[in-house]
Amino acid sequence: AQTVTQSQPEMSVQEAETVTLSCTYDTSESDYYLFWYKQPPSRQMILVIRQEAYKQQNATENRFSVNFQKAAKSFSLKISDSQLGDAAMYFCAYLGGGGADGLTFGKGTHLIIQP
Amino acid sequence: DTAVSQTPKYLVTQMGNDKSIKCEQNLGHDTMYWYKQDSKKFLKIMFSYNNKELIINETVPNRFSPKSPDKAHLNLHINSLELGDSAVYFCASSHIRTDTQYFGPGTRLTVL
Repeated sequence: AQTVTQSQPEMSVQEAETVTLSCTYDTSESDYYLFWYKQPPSRQMILVIRQEAYKQQNATENRFSVNFQKAAKSFSLKISDSQLGDAAMYFCAYLGGGGADGLTFGKGTHLIIQP
Repeated sequence: DTAVSQTPKYLVTQMGNDKSIKCEQNLGHDTMYWYKQDSKKFLKIMFSYNNKELIINETVPNRFSPKSPDKAHLNLHINSLELGDSAVYFCASSHIRTDTQYFGPGTRLTVL
């Protein structure tokens, strides 16, 4: 079974600074997808970014980018120019190539933004 | 124009009752899901369903059953509610199983 590990239960960053959230995963598949979701206090699950394993280029969405290291099974999220609205739980998630098993989530990282 | 909606947002009930949570998506997606988020915020897949196949996580008690009247709806029925069923339940949908999943707002279920 696939597992997703987020080793940082909580991170804190100053507003306007850059922060990196870590995620590692374990799989025997070669074809899969990785995601970061954000869950603010409203509890809505919001997609931040998606990465296909077959793509070597790291995904980027505005201030959010990933460092995808397939061989190391690592998928970290970098948030640049942190804003107060970025404060939330961040979940790393894995989707196997067939997709039948649904998303496997890490335990989440609580990100605090210091004004 | 909410993409994935759930009703109710909050549900408080007594142990032993039967309850349902409704989910609707207007994205035209073919696949829908139910996830459970426990008190430690851990999210786990319960079901994935499209018009061809229901896949059940083997750890889900058979007191939980998804019912889909049509492609846009996937309701969750829970029989004989137990204290341990208290959680937030999320519905999600995607175009196909390998596509990005979009989540509803969640339903917080409290069993007393």
